[in-house]
Amino acid sequence: SYVLTQPPSVSVAPGQTARITCGGNNIGNKGLHWYRQKPGQAPVLVIYYDRDRPSGIPERFSGSNSGNTATLTISRVEAGDEADYYCQVWDSDTDHVIFGGGTMLTVL
Amino acid sequence: QVQLQESGPGLVKPSETLSLTCTVSGGSISSSNYYWGWIRQPPGKGLEWVGSIYYSGYTYYNPSLQSRVTMSVDTSKKQFSLKQTSVTAADTAVYYCARGYCSSTSCRSWGYYFDYWGQGTLVTVSS
Repeated sequence: SYVLTQPPSVSVAPGQTARITCGGNNIGNKGLHWYRQKPGQAPVLVIYYDRDRPSGIPERFSGSNSGNTATLTISRVEAGDEADYYCQVWDSDTDHVIFGGGTMLTVL
Repeated sequence: QVQLQESGPGLVKPSETLSLTCTVSGGSISSSNYYWGWIRQPPGKGLEWVGSIYYSGYTYYNPSLQSRVTMSVDTSKKQFSLKQTSVTAADTAVYYCARGYCSSTSCRSWGYYFDYWGQGTLVTVSS
């Protein structure tokens, strides 16, 4: 089955740029989505189809997807960005949804 | 504004059946653009897709749970449901229902994403 691999944690100072990766075999050929989850809350979609932002998500959030790696980039990181971030794809071979293991973003 | 609300028992005994319902408000449940999903999260762990159901009733299940999971949809009530049999402590989790969305041109090529989520409901399996 298809597997998405994320680093368990990423740390960044306020005002800097955070990059969270999501690895998978030929992931660049799939639609990749990102969610942010704060403690005790439901996940929130922050990027869909690799690089599109839902309304209400700041322009500081951007995405890319190529080859075997997708990346969520958060510019000018704020304390409020501290959360767990998950990537997700739909596997066209099986019609199954796959989530990555999640990355905890810590703002130093 | 689309809203989803999970309902069901918060405590289930081992070997029994977990039953949850998700009620959709503020939008249609019957659209070719929508898949209705269940996602769970054990305490302190990551998200796990349980399964999805298309408005027509076609279902897709996580292969690790497929033998124990059944999903259904009632479009007249704007509800979809999850039944999971033979539960164990490992099934203890927050269960979320969510709307999966894809555009008409992307459904069969790029799949769908979950744009609206319920608040989640904690289901504990314990005697």
